[in-house]
Amino acid sequence: DTGVSQDPRHKITKRGQNVTFRCDPISEHNRLYWYRQTLGQGPEFLTYFQNEAQLEKSRLLSDRFSAERPKGSFSTLEIQRTEQGDSAMYLCASSSRSGANVLTFGAGSRLTVL
Amino acid sequence: DQQVKQNSPSLSVQEGRISILNCDYTNSMFDYFLWYKKYPAEGPTFLISISSIKDKNEDGRFTVFLNKSAKHLSLHIVPSQPGDSAVYFCAASAGNFNKFYFGSGTKLNVKP
Repeated sequence: DTGVSQDPRHKITKRGQNVTFRCDPISEHNRLYWYRQTLGQGPEFLTYFQNEAQLEKSRLLSDRFSAERPKGSFSTLEIQRTEQGDSAMYLCASSSRSGANVLTFGAGSRLTVL
Repeated sequence: DQQVKQNSPSLSVQEGRISILNCDYTNSMFDYFLWYKKYPAEGPTFLISISSIKDKNEDGRFTVFLNKSAKHLSLHIVPSQPGDSAVYFCAASAGNFNKFYFGSGTKLNVKP
């Protein structure tokens, strides 16, 4: 088990472009979360999946953001028409049915929008 | 609306002494609290947690105290070691663990 894997680790893009991040959770974990972290702040909740169902979604997730977890395994987070304010670290975390109270985080995907 | 607050952005302590990191919350529905540690270029890693039915939980050098009436929790590290130097986040959840709220973090520097 290699933990929670995120790809790419760093993405630099121009304003207006679309970007997609991928998260592979720990294999037996049915819960998957996306968080966003900006400089000097703690992780901010974006969305939560239980298996393939998206059960929670933050107001922070504007209509330019979409997340999927089609088969209840890996997940993708897409940002359309990126803006400079989207520059942040995007963190994925997962937890198991029996250990739902503890999140295991990936190393994150850093987005820089020029 | 910041429901979990860490008012000290940084803390510096001498090796071997106690480190005390503080966290306040506003939502009385929170019933589970966690501390995470984060090194640069890595994701946060789980350190210790406490349920609202307890007021103290200890794991080796780390102890978390919960004061529900004050909506305050603290993390004590004794003795502090240089390897403890990292950013510490407190987090809270209510009920079903569908969402965790994080504080803004405290950067701990343990000086040799």
